[in-house]
Amino acid sequence: EAQVTQNPRYLITVTGKKLTVTCSQNMNHEYMSWYRQDPGLGLRQIYYSMNVEVTDKGDVPEGYKVSRKEKRNFPLILESPSPNQTSLYFCASSYRAGGPSDTQYFGPGTRLTVL
Amino acid sequence: AQSVTQLGSHVSVSEGALVLLRCNYSSSVPPYLFWYVQYPNQGLQLLLKYTSAATLVKGINGFEAEFKKSETSFHLTKPSAHMSDAAEYFCAVSGPNTGGFKTIFGAGTRLFVKA
Repeated sequence: EAQVTQNPRYLITVTGKKLTVTCSQNMNHEYMSWYRQDPGLGLRQIYYSMNVEVTDKGDVPEGYKVSRKEKRNFPLILESPSPNQTSLYFCASSYRAGGPSDTQYFGPGTRLTVL
Repeated sequence: AQSVTQLGSHVSVSEGALVLLRCNYSSSVPPYLFWYVQYPNQGLQLLLKYTSAATLVKGINGFEAEFKKSETSFHLTKPSAHMSDAAEYFCAVSGPNTGGFKTIFGAGTRLFVKA
């Protein structure tokens, strides 16, 4: 089944404790992206990747890191989480990096709470 | 910078009534436009998209949207609401004016359907 998977689905952590949220897709998509969803703000793009080893900042990249060493995986790293990073996070992928009109396929989300 | 405005954070309709969810974008250059739906505790899935072909776009579950360049709008409609349409709907834009290969989402509109 074609899908985007994220792990963990739920995470409660404390300020400053490094964490990684994994994202994997099995559709051989070039483009992958991370979003955070907050009430009243919709989804805001954190980082995106157009292909292996090619990443760029979205609108809210501060406090986050990403890497794209393999085509299927795009982990989101929080080196020193803070309470303002408490949010619902979504990973998404689409077929082409050069085609912003392409449909994005979303993972089920990761709910992160930073105490 | 590109922006997307969804009028009304909450819309309530009766079952069988017309659904109208509003979306306006800010670009002078016609972008790529999307409507996504999010059911409770799920990721987003594509309803429909405009990519400069026909201005009236038909999507899944009986939804459609019309691109109006003069009004910079891409409103979502459905002639007759069903209880299963209750969800949150997001309008999104991508394309040259987002500053690369970003996707910009609106804040979302939650649709309630009354029996």
